[in-house]
Amino acid sequence: GESVGLHLPTLSVQEGDNSIINCAYSNSASDYFIWYKQESGKGPQFIIDIRSNMDKRQGQRVTVLLNKTVKHLSLQIAATQPGDSAVYFCAESKIQGAQKLVFGQGTRLTINP
Amino acid sequence: EPEVTQTPSHQVTQMGQEVILRCVPISNHLYFYWYRQILGQKVEFLVSFYNNEISEKSEIFDDQFSVERPDGSNFTLKIRSTKLEDSAMYFCATNLRAGWGEQYFGPGTRLTVT
Repeated sequence: GESVGLHLPTLSVQEGDNSIINCAYSNSASDYFIWYKQESGKGPQFIIDIRSNMDKRQGQRVTVLLNKTVKHLSLQIAATQPGDSAVYFCAESKIQGAQKLVFGQGTRLTINP
Repeated sequence: EPEVTQTPSHQVTQMGQEVILRCVPISNHLYFYWYRQILGQKVEFLVSFYNNEISEKSEIFDDQFSVERPDGSNFTLKIRSTKLEDSAMYFCATNLRAGWGEQYFGPGTRLTVT
């Protein structure tokens, strides 16, 4: 069945370092992928998305990489800041249809001062 | 910046009671969703809604659940007879269009069934 999973449940990085959060997906029919950030007590917040016809997309301090061959998605955060502390979820979807999001388990990112 | 709002922020109810969770979508958005998140777990899709009808629903969304947009603004999720396992955060999300683009999530309603 469909599943989107994450390799690591927790990640600790030093402030100022780069963070890499990984995600594996299993539905080869998915063609749209999104990273969300969830801070404690809040709803998921969109970070960046990528369509399956791309392998890399950059935003402000964030980059998403998509490797369709191995069904792998990653989120890179440059110069990690204390405000980046949160749980990060990847989600997959299909462009055709009502865009149901299938979320992964989440990775908790902790920033060490 | 426009945002999705949800009420109440926290709802406590007894098992077997009906609850209605409310969402006010971003005004020009056309696609509406409910998700839930059991404590410490991932966010799970419940239902999508467009043009006053359900587009897709998950296995979780059984006969005890219903959605409607009664007045063209609020988008509601009703659970007819709550069970203990319905305790979770319920998130409303909206999107301007289908297919791709940011789904905007509300802050959630924490439902506690005792």
